[in-house]
Amino acid sequence: DQQVKQNSPSLSVQEGRISILNCDYTNSMFDYFLWYKKYPAEGPTFLISISSIKDKNEDGRFTVFLNKSAKHLSLHIVPSQPGDSAVYFCAASSGTSYGKLTFGQGTILTVHP
Amino acid sequence: KAGVTQTPRYLIKTRGQQVTLSCSPISGHRSVSWYQQTPGQGLQFLFEYFSETQRNKGNFPGRFSGRQFSNSRSEMNVSTLELGDSALYLCASSSFGGRSEAFFGQGTRLTVV
Repeated sequence: DQQVKQNSPSLSVQEGRISILNCDYTNSMFDYFLWYKKYPAEGPTFLISISSIKDKNEDGRFTVFLNKSAKHLSLHIVPSQPGDSAVYFCAASSGTSYGKLTFGQGTILTVHP
Repeated sequence: KAGVTQTPRYLIKTRGQQVTLSCSPISGHRSVSWYQQTPGQGLQFLFEYFSETQRNKGNFPGRFSGRQFSNSRSEMNVSTLELGDSALYLCASSSFGGRSEAFFGQGTRLTVV
């Protein structure tokens, strides 16, 4: 039972364009969502988060949108840079999950120069 | 501010042995969570400790255990190692778990032969 799903295994984007990574969840108890960037054999790097009381959060080139009714969130990266090439994970938690993050399977983003 | 430190970075063990991994969280953080990452299963939650108490546990056998010390440093132990325990083990630190940002260490790559 995969409660957090990233249905696109990979995404290829041209440098300077927008990258949009998507994530769906099924557990309505989730109320806090995070995006991480990861390189092989390294730990995930925190990018941005959003609470369920918001529908948008912005930090520099990164914006996360949350659609609670659709149980869907997306990460927008504008403009995309070659250094953004990595695996991106979305993760979800709830107030009672006590440190447990439930992760999606990840999306490999490749930004071409 | 120092990040999350995991030691050792790499480990090779023989089937049947046991192993202990260490995690030092960000100063001031009281929640430490452990995850296992494998190619087939993605990032799976092992357990979470807060103020020396295990508050949450994932779906792993009893061979996987952990503890947290009064300075918030945490260790996880795997006994009677199996080949399938080969994975990247990651620890994450956050202020209080739940609805807060979690920061990951570089991970320990365990190989069981």
